[in-house]
Amino acid sequence: GESVGLHLPTLSVQEGDNSIINCAYSNSASDYFIWYKQESGKGPQFIIDIRSNMDKRQGQRVTVLLNKTVKHLSLQIAATQPGDSAVYFCAENMGSGGSNYKLTFGKGTLLTVNP
Amino acid sequence: DAGITQSPRHKVTETGTPVTLRCHQTENHRYMYWYRQDPGHGLRLIHYSYGVKDTDKGEVSDGYSVSRSKTEDFLLTLESATSSQTSVYFCALARAGLGNEQFFGPGTRLTVL
Repeated sequence: GESVGLHLPTLSVQEGDNSIINCAYSNSASDYFIWYKQESGKGPQFIIDIRSNMDKRQGQRVTVLLNKTVKHLSLQIAATQPGDSAVYFCAENMGSGGSNYKLTFGKGTLLTVNP
Repeated sequence: DAGITQSPRHKVTETGTPVTLRCHQTENHRYMYWYRQDPGHGLRLIHYSYGVKDTDKGEVSDGYSVSRSKTEDFLLTLESATSSQTSVYFCALARAGLGNEQFFGPGTRLTVL
């Protein structure tokens, strides 16, 4: 069947290199951001999140950077591995006060890791 | 996987037939969501629920209805399926009080012929 990866921006890296995936968000009032990873045939999986009162947050091999001035979010993956190959989505909470926990998702970036 | 299951996982149906997709959770979370995912569009919210019998529309709700008669089940119904509703459908839930992180089910691939 047709893959969710079609029509997406793509990033191809060599195994062991660092990857940077970018996302522009739309609402300056958004106060919470998440990165998800989606492997083929599976549902999105949480990677890391960040609140608008921070500009950087680190996890295991991943770092999220938030630039509120230009409404830009990035995900950095250190020492990229073949298992990191997937579609990566950013999502934002549109600043509704969190009463319904609604998220708006970007269209995603397909990351391919070459051995 | 936050105890989320979806059924069926795959379905092929004909235009004009009714279809119901089920999302079941085992962890008693308040917020549940239905998304569809299509190439070039990412995840789009269809409907969501913030409690038993409390639901609201998302950005692509036309042609869909939902019901939540008990906490653990959130049903998505296509009253009369159309080919434009061929998609992969994901259910998600949010753990209230722990941020806006949503956990997703495995998805249902629906084909409307």
